Amino acid sequence: EVQLVQSGAEVKKPGESLKISCKGSGYSFTSYWIGWVRQMPGKGLEWMGIIYPGDSDTRYSPSFQGQVTISADKSISTAYLQWSSLKASDTAMYYCARGGQWPFPGWFDPWGQGTLVTVSS
Amino acid sequence: EIVLTQSPGTLSLSPGERATLSCRASQSVSSSYLAWYQQKPGQAPRLLIYGASSRATGIPDRFSGSGSGTDFTLTISRLEPEDFAVYYCQQYGSSPGPGTFGGGTKVEIK
Repeated sequence: EVQLVQSGAEVKKPGESLKISCKGSGYSFTSYWIGWVRQMPGKGLEWMGIIYPGDSDTRYSPSFQGQVTISADKSISTAYLQWSSLKASDTAMYYCARGGQWPFPGWFDPWGQGTLVTVSS
Repeated sequence: EIVLTQSPGTLSLSPGERATLSCRASQSVSSSYLAWYQQKPGQAPRLLIYGASSRATGIPDRFSGSGSGTDFTLTISRLEPEDFAVYYCQQYGSSPGPGTFGGGTKVEIK
């Protein structure tokens, strides 16, 4: 079974750093894009960026370029989303999802269970 | 970047009725690289349709997708109680680059 399991909920203060994870199993992790999606409280889905774990090729939405960093460690089949300095506006649920095979980013299926990030002083 | 506009924002229908959801793109979506997702409260989104009209594994045949170019439609032929949820369209492009989601349509019980 193809599965993505995300790290647990986080509560952080503004200005702190954070790295959340997404571990893939049941498929060849290096052969499929992994995407990250933000959902702010009560709002819709926002496409943040994708990474190809095979060679760490990464693409960002213009809205998120420079705001977050997406990375992957193929040795442990895990993708990451990180912030160097959190803001209150980063409070949201973050989902990872499997995309398509190189070079095709594809649709997202399946999705991780989500990681809730709360940033509050 | 392609902008997707979904309409209506909310659709109020009764079980058994037909639901028609629209997704309009600001420019042509290449090769119908468009997907639809369903999201229920407290759950992650679930893929329903990819390639504009192909049903994902395990999706009932009451869900169907159609369209090309800039206009796409998700149709639920007869609403079941479990279909009341929020639906999102997404374009994903033919080469690596930003994908985008529509703003969503909420299908609620009338």
